Amino acid sequence: GAGVSQSPRYKVTKRGQDVALRCDPISGHVSLYWYRQALGQGPEFLTYFNYEAQQDKSGLPNDRFSAERPEGSISTLTIQRTEQRDSAMYRCASSPALAGGYNEQFFGPGTRLTVL
Amino acid sequence: DAKTTQPPSMDCAEGRAANLPCNHSTISGNEYVYWYRQIHSQGPQYIIHGLKNNETNEMASLIITEDRKSSTLILPHATLRDTAVYYCIVRVTNTDKLIFGTGTRLQVFP
Repeated sequence: GAGVSQSPRYKVTKRGQDVALRCDPISGHVSLYWYRQALGQGPEFLTYFNYEAQQDKSGLPNDRFSAERPEGSISTLTIQRTEQRDSAMYRCASSPALAGGYNEQFFGPGTRLTVL
Repeated sequence: DAKTTQPPSMDCAEGRAANLPCNHSTISGNEYVYWYRQIHSQGPQYIIHGLKNNETNEMASLIITEDRKSSTLILPHATLRDTAVYYCIVRVTNTDKLIFGTGTRLQVFP
């Protein structure tokens, strides 16, 4: 079956531009997570959704970052007025169950964002 | 959030057992210990998790000390394909937020 997919796989943009990163979770998975990973570091939690509801956005670095999942499936992470420090790998994960029990997260291949 | 401490790197000979330690001395009673690994630039991959009892699956075994302040991931017969960064994570209670540290880079050599 298809895993988590993300698009684009690579994005190069100029400082000040807005970018939208898309995540298509595994079909039927109710929870969706966004992480950011700098080179040589572990993934850093950004936000997550149960169905269409954003449960926790404590990891979003500032108000230039936002995420939505309007129909409880595909999610978009938007970064406005990008800065060079936003350059990183952005990873999406999904899981089949809600919080509170065993819950394996399945990660996508990531979007490598480079801000010039 | 409970913090974990892992050695930055380890080596293991192919075919031997790889024992990866993790300290989580501030873990709460209902927090799970999860292990993920990341091979090269791929996304992290779930390995195993546990609460208090030792666990085993087709990939690995997880040994958790009785006081739950530390754990060890065991790969019984390491192969070259097990070369990866291994993350020990304490899952935040009642959420699925995973807080990754810097992990242990395991190098399996022939």
